[in-house]
Order: sequence, then structure tokens, then C-alpha cells
Amino acid sequence: DAGVIQSPRHEVTEMGQEVTLRCKPISGHNSLFWYRQTMMRGLELLIYFNNNVPIDDSGMPEDRFSAKMPNASFSTLKIQPSEPRDSAVYFCASSSGLKETQYFGPGTRLLVL
Amino acid sequence: AQKITQTQPGMFVQEKEAVTLDCTYDTSDPSYGLFWYKQPSSGEMIFLIYQGSYDQQNATEGRYSLNFQKARKSANLVISASQLGDSAMYFCAMSGMDSSYKLIFGSGTRLLVRP
Repeated sequence: DAGVIQSPRHEVTEMGQEVTLRCKPISGHNSLFWYRQTMMRGLELLIYFNNNVPIDDSGMPEDRFSAKMPNASFSTLKIQPSEPRDSAVYFCASSSGLKETQYFGPGTRLLVL
Repeated sequence: AQKITQTQPGMFVQEKEAVTLDCTYDTSDPSYGLFWYKQPSSGEMIFLIYQGSYDQQNATEGRYSLNFQKARKSANLVISASQLGDSAMYFCAMSGMDSSYKLIFGSGTRLLVRP
């Protein structure tokens, strides 16, 4: 079975550019989570969806960050405009329910110059 | 508020020996779940084991077991017969089961298995 798929795996961009990260959850999973990992702050939950509906976006750092889940098999996390402090590894995870184990994708390593 | 504490930034273990990674937690939720994830140098997050707060028995998954002591609010991971491939960062995490479903992570423990 395919796990959570994320693209791109690596992204290097310049400050001010728009960045779009993509995630395909495990088929049949109806909960999707976006995390950010940095050395300073560790792993932080940014936002999560249940049945394609955003449930809690209190972890989204600023209005520059937005996330969508147009259907059960696809989600995006967009940063516009990007800043150097956004450099991090962004993980997407999915689960078969909010109370169930979350399975992580391989992550997108973002570097904003 | 929920909190996870991992007090061991780094640990060494000899190959084939057992090792315990510590995790303590704090929560006001009566129902919660405890998880351990492994992050090798390649960067992915790999789910290892889960323990529910109402589970009567400690969880086990192959060489991994979770030493759950509810009164002490601890959920230590025990890895038996360590292998070189066990060298990685290990994260303890907790999720509430009644209200907040956020997965809160500890700061991690870096384990190095010596040959």
C-alpha cells in the first residue's frame, strides 16, 4: 500500500516567492495533518482537516500560510510570500480518524533564501 | 494543557542490548493516547507503537514495548536486542481522545547503537 505522498521532497526558493507544498493522504484516511519541524521549535502542528474540513488552524503561524483540502485525496499548504524563517521540514500525516494513529509522509525540506 | 517531556537528549547503547527511552507527560484529558515515532537520519517519521490511556496491558510491537505507568504519567519505550539500524531520533507524542486531537511531541532522544 502506498503511504502518504508529499511533493516536492526538496524546495529552494527566494524570499518573497510563493511556495506550494502538496500531500496525498493514504487512501481511505479521512483525517489529514500538516506539521512543521525546526531545530528551534521541534515538531509543531499547523492545521488539521477531518473529512476535508479544516478543524483547527490555530497552529498556522501567520496569514502568509494557508491550507486547503479540495477533496479526500489531496491537500496543499501554501506560503505567500515566503520568508527565510519559514525554512523547515514540512510533514503531512493522515489517519483513519481523529483518534487514530497518524502516518507521516516523507516530508518536504524547504529552504527560503 | 498537554505536555510531553523527554529528558534524555542523547543515549548510547551497545548492539544487542536493551535500552529504555524516557517519556513523561501531563494532561487533563481523562482519555488520551501515547505514541512513539522513530526518525532516522533520512528524515521520515516512522510510527512504532501506541498505548491508550485505558489499555490494561502495556503495548508491544516486535522488539518495541511501552512501559506505561499511568500514576507516574510515564510512557517509556523499551527497545530489546538493539540493532545498528535503531540509531535514530525517537519522539514520544500524546493526543487527547475527547477534545483536542492534536499530536503533541516531545523534544526527542537521539539514540546511537554501538557495534
